[in-house]
Amino acid sequence: QVQLVQSGAEVKKPGSSVKVSCKASGGTFSSYAISWVRQAPGQGLEWMGGIIPMLETANYAQTFQDRVTITADESTSTAYMELSSLRSEDTAVYYCARLGRILDYWGQGTLVTVSS
Amino acid sequence: AIQMSQSPSSLSASVGDRVTITCRASQGIRNDLGWYQQKPGKAPKLLIYAASTLQSGVPSRFSGSGSGTDFTLTISSLQPEDFATYYCLQDHNFPLAFGPGTKVDIK
Repeated sequence: QVQLVQSGAEVKKPGSSVKVSCKASGGTFSSYAISWVRQAPGQGLEWMGGIIPMLETANYAQTFQDRVTITADESTSTAYMELSSLRSEDTAVYYCARLGRILDYWGQGTLVTVSS
Repeated sequence: AIQMSQSPSSLSASVGDRVTITCRASQGIRNDLGWYQQKPGKAPKLLIYAASTLQSGVPSRFSGSGSGTDFTLTISSLQPEDFATYYCLQDHNFPLAFGPGTKVDIK
């Protein structure tokens, strides 16, 4: 059974960066793309970008293109999402999800709070 | 980029009702569409992929249809545990895109 386990909640200052991890188990990590999706409080789901670990190729949504970096470490089956130049509007729950049969397996979510 | 819309944005229904939610893509996406259910504080749960294929373990009261630009999620007989928000997602190409969601609450 595929499981995605994310790192814990973060509190960050405006202008700083945050790096969230997503460790996969129970499947072939390298073969599937991992996407990152965010959800601001009371809002809908927003795709941020994704990576295929085997190809080390990342795609990003234009909204986040300049501020997000998605990477993967095949040796530890872990994907990472780093968001820079944080502002209050980045306060949200960030999810990783596997792109198998569409986004089929999801992490539990990581709350990132941006506050001075 | 492909844009997704959903209607209605919210609806009130009773247990036992038949509920239909519509999703529209700004351009043709074949059948590259999924439906998700999300409850407060939880990660989205995949219900249907490839527009009409039921994910393993999902009750058969959920069904999906459509192709091209117009898609439908139907709940044949609404159960108490079905009150939630539903999202469509296109995975035809990058960037992936979600619909804005449909909140189903109790009448």
